[in-house]
Amino acid sequence: QSVLTQPPSASGTPGQRVTISCSGSSPNVGSHSVHWYQQLPGTAPKLLIYSNNQRPSGVPDRFSGSKSGTSVSLAISGLRSEDEADYYCAVWDDSLRGHVFGGGTKLTVL
Amino acid sequence: EVQLVESGGGLVQPGGSLRLSCAASGFTFSTYDMHWVRQDTGKGLEWVSSIGTADDTYYAGSVKGRFTISRDNAKNSLYLQMNSLRAGDTALYYCIGARHGFDFWGQGTMVTVSS
Repeated sequence: QSVLTQPPSASGTPGQRVTISCSGSSPNVGSHSVHWYQQLPGTAPKLLIYSNNQRPSGVPDRFSGSKSGTSVSLAISGLRSEDEADYYCAVWDDSLRGHVFGGGTKLTVL
Repeated sequence: EVQLVESGGGLVQPGGSLRLSCAASGFTFSTYDMHWVRQDTGKGLEWVSSIGTADDTYYAGSVKGRFTISRDNAKNSLYLQMNSLRAGDTALYYCIGARHGFDFWGQGTMVTVSS
């Protein structure tokens, strides 16, 4: 069972806006910046959002992140078929003295 | 172009050892924290170990005492010595360069622990 809780699945139709949540606790999300990763089928994960809401160069502004307390969210607007992937949140945990990942959310574009 | 190329994976019996290597290029290796993250087939991501620019090291509880991470900045290389391997260590192991988050990922090297 992951320290960070994500819904196992999410879905939307092209053009829609979808959000994926990631819930943690005080030693992790409550104290540190959270990052999001996108893993397209058969490929290595890719950094999508860092420090809660920052986009690396090359990531479309359709992707955005937010944080409130011990929860974070990833929002994808203008959903496209190529967004179908697994999405993971990750953060440092003070209690475990290590990095932790959420269990991942499989996004399906209907 | 940033490249991280892992090697050293393979099939090993329970209790055996393997040494993973990661050759980095396209960025200033010595200025990045480096990590290993693994993923069992069809499963989620699991952080394994980190080494900072000052050679500070961190391990997941599941591997502490069995795995050792190291780096050679002169060779732009990261290593993971894995001892006392168990079936639960079976996974694809990714080498990662980190500054903001886990910025750069390799394609992974597969480790299978089985008799």
